[in-house]
Amino acid sequence: DAGVTQSPTHLIKTRGQQVTLRCSPKSGHDTVSWYQQALGQGPQFIFQYYEEEERQRGNFPDRFSGHQFPNYSSELNVNALLLGDSALYLCASSLRDYGYTFGSGTRLTVV
Amino acid sequence: GQQVMQIPQYQHVQEGEDFTTYCNSSTTLSNIQWYKQRPGGHPVFLIQLVKSGEVKKQKRLTFQFGEAKKNSSLHITATQTTDVGTYFCASQGGSEKLVFGKGTKLTVNP
Repeated sequence: DAGVTQSPTHLIKTRGQQVTLRCSPKSGHDTVSWYQQALGQGPQFIFQYYEEEERQRGNFPDRFSGHQFPNYSSELNVNALLLGDSALYLCASSLRDYGYTFGSGTRLTVV
Repeated sequence: GQQVMQIPQYQHVQEGEDFTTYCNSSTTLSNIQWYKQRPGGHPVFLIQLVKSGEVKKQKRLTFQFGEAKKNSSLHITATQTTDVGTYFCASQGGSEKLVFGKGTKLTVNP
C-alpha cells in the first residue's frame, strides 16, 4: 500500500521535552501538510511543505517547526512541549493542492 | 481569516432516518471537500466539489455546492450504523491550505 505513513503511532512525553514526528507521503505526492486535531475538534492547519520549503503556516507558535526532505518525506518538531500540545497529529500528502490523503496520525500525550 | 462553519455539531438518528450536515462560509470558496472520520480513525476523503451548483452522489450520499459557492451540504439517505462518525467539510478558499470545519458527529441508533 502506498498510502501516507506516520510514525510513531503513539507517544508520551513530559512537559518541556522536544518531539519529532515523521511522515512518508503517498507515492506520487509532492506536498505534505501537518494538522493538529484536539479531541472533539476539527483538524487545525499547522503548516505545509512543498519543494522542501514551508509554503504556508497556520496560527501555531515557533515551537512548531518542520522539514521536508528531497524524497518528499517530512518531519514535524515541537519544542518545549506543553500539556496543551496533547493531540492527534495528522500528516496529509497531496499532489500540489489536490487529492489530500491523510495518514493514521500520531497520538501525542504530554504529561 | 478563511473559516468554514459547520452545523449541527452533533446529530443522533435512528437507523433508516436521513441525515444532513451543512457547511457555510462568509467568503467565496474555490472548492469544498468532504471527509469522514470514524471514531479513533483519521479523516478519509469523500469528495471534492468545484463548480457552482454542483451536485454529486455516492450511493446514499448526496453532496451539493451552493450557487454562490459559499455553502455546501452532505445528505445521507436511510442511515446505517456504518455511517457513524464525524463528517468534516474543508475548503482551500483562495489559498493552498485546507481549512476544516469543526465537523458534525453522527451517531446512529440501531
